[in-house]
Amino acid sequence: DIQMTQSPSSVSASVGDRVTITCRASQGISSWLAWYQQKPGKAPELLIYAASTLQSDVPSRFSGSGSGTDFTLTISSLQPEDFATYYCQQANSFPYTFGQGTKLEIK
Amino acid sequence: QVTLRESGPALVKPTETLTLTCSFSGFSLSASGMCVNWIRQPPGKALEWLGLIDWDDDKYYSTSLKTRLTISKDTSKNQVVLTMTNMDPVDTATYYCARTRRNDYNQLDYWGQGTLVTVSS
Repeated sequence: DIQMTQSPSSVSASVGDRVTITCRASQGISSWLAWYQQKPGKAPELLIYAASTLQSDVPSRFSGSGSGTDFTLTISSLQPEDFATYYCQQANSFPYTFGQGTKLEIK
Repeated sequence: QVTLRESGPALVKPTETLTLTCSFSGFSLSASGMCVNWIRQPPGKALEWLGLIDWDDDKYYSTSLKTRLTISKDTSKNQVVLTMTNMDPVDTATYYCARTRRNDYNQLDYWGQGTLVTVSS
């Protein structure tokens, strides 16, 4: 199975800050990576797929980059509604696997 | 408009078999490339992918759970069923179904709201 490792596990930031979350795959997955946002008590929502393609209706302050084994999710200017947990997921091969999550908290 | 909704028991006893149904609309599981996935999340923990069934009735499962899982579909009813045998308290989780499309990037683009299953005697 492909292991997905996110860092950091948690991060504190302020409204307006720029935040970057990283995700590393245990083997190359080309660009078969997605990012999800999950708020407490809610289902995850797709933010980015194919490593860098923004899902429709997702604000442009979110961006993704990377290929192979190393990926990043960047939020350019944090908004109050962005405080949530973020997950990466590889869709290159079965079984699909998720990272352990990064909790983004208000400083 | 694509929607998915999970249904099933909120409480099961240890050793019992769990059966969950994902009812969906807005797409057909007989269309080429369409897939329905199952994912779970124990309270306070990370997401775990459980398995998938595709338009061609191929199934793929989590390595660690494959001996306990079965996914099936009823295309005419727009439903996908997950069965998990020999339930244990560690299987307590919110269970989600979600769609992917094999002719896209396999992203989980639509999710159900999830159903919490508690395993307890």
